[in-house]
Amino acid sequence: NAGVTQTPKFQVLKTGQSMTLQCAQDMNHNSMYWYRQDPGMGLRLIYYSASEGTTDKGEVPNGYNVSRLNKREFSLRLESAAPSQTSVYFCASSVGLPGADTQYFGPGTRLTVL
Amino acid sequence: AQSVTQPDIHITVSEGASLELRCNYSYGATPYLFWYVQSPGQGLQLLLKYFSGDTLVQGIKGFEAEFKRSQSSFNLRKPSVHWSDAAEYFCAVGLIDSNYQLIWGAGTKLIIKP
Repeated sequence: NAGVTQTPKFQVLKTGQSMTLQCAQDMNHNSMYWYRQDPGMGLRLIYYSASEGTTDKGEVPNGYNVSRLNKREFSLRLESAAPSQTSVYFCASSVGLPGADTQYFGPGTRLTVL
Repeated sequence: AQSVTQPDIHITVSEGASLELRCNYSYGATPYLFWYVQSPGQGLQLLLKYFSGDTLVQGIKGFEAEFKRSQSSFNLRKPSVHWSDAAEYFCAVGLIDSNYQLIWGAGTKLIIKP
């Protein structure tokens, strides 16, 4: 099993450009998450999906959109990138609810917005 | 409001010495408790978790943690650290009466002195 995979690993954007971060899991998990990690701020939840077809905002959703394409895939879109979105982005998944089950993380995407 | 505090941003320990990383939470009930580790350039991995029962929990890589209800703490310990333990450690709390929302601490970076 590959676990949680993310593409791309690195990306550099100019302000105003758009891009989609892809995430897939092969563990048949119901819940999937997008986090951003900034120095000294730990992990902040952007969006999560408790099941296929549902998505909910997390702590810092502004400037992002998500799509739960199917049970395996959960993508994160930046419509108009801003320098404040420079961060490391992690996708994660779990069998059940976020605070009740182990979360499995992907390797991350390091995004720089110039 | 519910919160998780990891009071130490950085901790430096000599190889072979013992380690204790602190985690305190603010929550009215007994939560689910997690410790995750993030090695440099990688995603997070679960070290151990506490849901109920024995308050001393064993995890991977020789780590253990003790839940102390009276102190609202879940401190992580290891009797003898190895250079490979250098990483960032995150405590997280699952709020069982708030739809299992997960609250993350800001992390503690462990530096190992040779």
